Amino acid sequence: GAGVSQSPSNKVTEKGKDVELRCDPISGHTALYWYRQRLGQGLEFLIYFQGNSAPDKSGLPSDRFSAERTGESVSTLTIQRTQQEDSAVYLCASSFRDRGAGELFFGEGSRLTVL
Amino acid sequence: RKEVEQDPGPFNVPEGATVAFNCTYSNSASQSFFWYRQDCRKEPKLLMSVYSSGNEDGRFTAQLNRASQYISLLIRDSKLSDSATYLCVVRDNNDMRFGAGTRLTVKP
Repeated sequence: GAGVSQSPSNKVTEKGKDVELRCDPISGHTALYWYRQRLGQGLEFLIYFQGNSAPDKSGLPSDRFSAERTGESVSTLTIQRTQQEDSAVYLCASSFRDRGAGELFFGEGSRLTVL
Repeated sequence: RKEVEQDPGPFNVPEGATVAFNCTYSNSASQSFFWYRQDCRKEPKLLMSVYSSGNEDGRFTAQLNRASQYISLLIRDSKLSDSATYLCVVRDNNDMRFGAGTRLTVKP
């Protein structure tokens, strides 16, 4: 498809388990963002990738959170030892321009529920 | 103080009404401004950019007041399909900062 693709769309896990969320950005988009959105809340910035530059990890809430990106394509967000407060929708967005300069195109999100 | 603040609403208006949303931002050096729309359980999508001179796109008008660090969105002749959450977004240095959103429900 032509849009940002995220998987899984829904994930239910038990507290303490690790989860991995995947994002396929739009082809040619060099900038990739991860956001977290808790129920009824706004978007919380997590991490930003731009080409081959070092990622901006300043939004990651704890060392249980990490993310990788292969070149200018797929990104994975990993949450280790999940906690109930990690329950949220994790949104990935990509942009073909430098950070903040262009429109962000969002995927439909991965809804994570930690029991 | 939050970096981007919006009235969370909800705003419940009848079809055809005019409704205005406000947003304030904390960093006077912020460079670009946007309104995004997010439908229930969907991803955000760009509605319109906000330019210094103000801009209009059909029934939607966006205004920026840099002195007051204030952005507004006006929706005229509201439609049922306008029901959504409207997110104020500010480019702050190299970050895109999102407000928590204002929820609008347009009723028949």
